[in-house]
Amino acid sequence: AQSVTQPDIHITVSEGASLELRCNYSYGATPYLFWYVQSPGQGLQLLLKYFSGDTLVQGIKGFEAEFKRSQSSFNLRKPSVHWSDAAEYFCAVGDGGGFKTIFGAGTRLFVKA
Amino acid sequence: DGGITQSPKYLFRKEGQNVTLSCEQNLNHDAMYWYRQDPGQGLRLIYYSQIVNDFQKGDIAEGYSVSREKKESFPLTVTSAQKNPTAFYLCASIGTSGASGEQFFGPGTRLTVL
Repeated sequence: AQSVTQPDIHITVSEGASLELRCNYSYGATPYLFWYVQSPGQGLQLLLKYFSGDTLVQGIKGFEAEFKRSQSSFNLRKPSVHWSDAAEYFCAVGDGGGFKTIFGAGTRLFVKA
Repeated sequence: DGGITQSPKYLFRKEGQNVTLSCEQNLNHDAMYWYRQDPGQGLRLIYYSQIVNDFQKGDIAEGYSVSREKKESFPLTVTSAQKNPTAFYLCASIGTSGASGEQFFGPGTRLTVL
C-alpha cells in the first residue's frame, strides 16, 4: 500500500538559513510525488511535482526537491528561508492518474528572526 | 478567475444536527474530493467523485454523505452519526486532461460542534 512519511513534525530555522524537509514514500511503481504548502486556516497550494525525467525539480517560491529512488525519498529544499515561508508543508504521493493521493502528516515550519 | 469555493468558512453545529458544507468549482474538473484535516494527522480522504452521479467512499466515510448531481458541485453532509465532527474540511479537484495529478484546493471550512 502507498504511504508517505514525514519524520519531522515541526522544524525551526533562522531567517536566511537553508532548509530541508524530509519525505519518504512507499509505492510499488514509479510514483507521482508532490509537495504542497498550507498557510494557517487556508487550503493547500502546490509547490512542485515530480512524474519522471530530471530528478531535481524546481518549484515556486524558490523551492526545489530531489527524487532519490534508491532511498525512496523526495526531500524539499530551499537555500535561504524567508519569514513568509512559515507554514505547514505536506508531501504526497499519487497513483498513475493521480485520482488517489496519499498525504503525509505534514511538517510545520517555524522561522525565527 | 477559476478556482474552488467553499462555504461557509466557519460553521457551528449543535450535537445531533446534520450540516452541509458547500464546494463549487469552475475549473471544469471531473474529479472532486473531500478531506478532513485534524492537527498532526495530515489529510484524510472522506469521499471522492470521478464523474457526475458517481462517488466512492474514502478512508473515513462513516458519518458523512455526498452527492454529485452537477460537475461543478460536490456538497458534503456531516450527519449526526459522525461522532467527532469538529475539524477543518477541505474540498479539492483534479483535472483529468493530461492526468497531472495536481489537486486544486478550496480555502476550507472549519466545523465546530457545540
